[in-house]
Amino acid sequence: QITLKEAGPTLVKPTQTLTLTCTFSGFSLSTSGVGVGWIRQPPGKALEWLALIYWDDDKRYSPSLKSRLTITKDTSKNQVVLTMTTMDPVDTATYYCAHVTSGSYANWGQGTLVTVSP
Amino acid sequence: QSVLTQPPSVSGAPWQRVTISCTGSSSNIGAHYDVHWYQQLPGTAPKLLIYANNNRPSGVPDRFSGSKSGTSASLAITGLQAEDEADYYCQSYDSSLSASVFGTGTRVTVL
Repeated sequence: QITLKEAGPTLVKPTQTLTLTCTFSGFSLSTSGVGVGWIRQPPGKALEWLALIYWDDDKRYSPSLKSRLTITKDTSKNQVVLTMTTMDPVDTATYYCAHVTSGSYANWGQGTLVTVSP
Repeated sequence: QSVLTQPPSVSGAPWQRVTISCTGSSSNIGAHYDVHWYQQLPGTAPKLLIYANNNRPSGVPDRFSGSKSGTSASLAITGLQAEDEADYYCQSYDSSLSASVFGTGTRVTVL
């Protein structure tokens, strides 16, 4: 059974850096073809893809957010970390991590709501 | 702004058939990248519904089916049920962006 869970602050101030950790089980990020991605969803709005890291440490970022995002993995801990700098109220959203295989986001975490407010 | 466009909403009576379109371009769907579909029930995380254009994960009813042609893809729900009321998103890969892309989302309402 594959599970993922996001962890991080629920409230951040504008200009601060957000750090989110995705802890997963049921698969290995050292297996060929496997990845972990991050997706966010502002309240009442659509899904927005953020970043993806593959088993071989290949990293992909949303072009519009690339300058603010960093994704890393710790295979031994079964964790993937996403950092987003210079947070703004428009970044208020539920942030999801997901297990990626063959291009699809096959399994999702429950999501964590991050609010950006002074 | 998403590169995959979906209708904001579709509706149908119970047991009817509805379809949701996902329109892309030559750098994503038209470039033969797979299209995947997700169902998001109210207040929950998205769930993979269709992968690689027309394949259902274990446990997904065969009322759901996917297809792809040219620069577009479609999700069909036959025998619409009240429990199908949800938001649906398509997703693919875009070579010009070197990124995964999600559609704009479609809300399905059962009348």
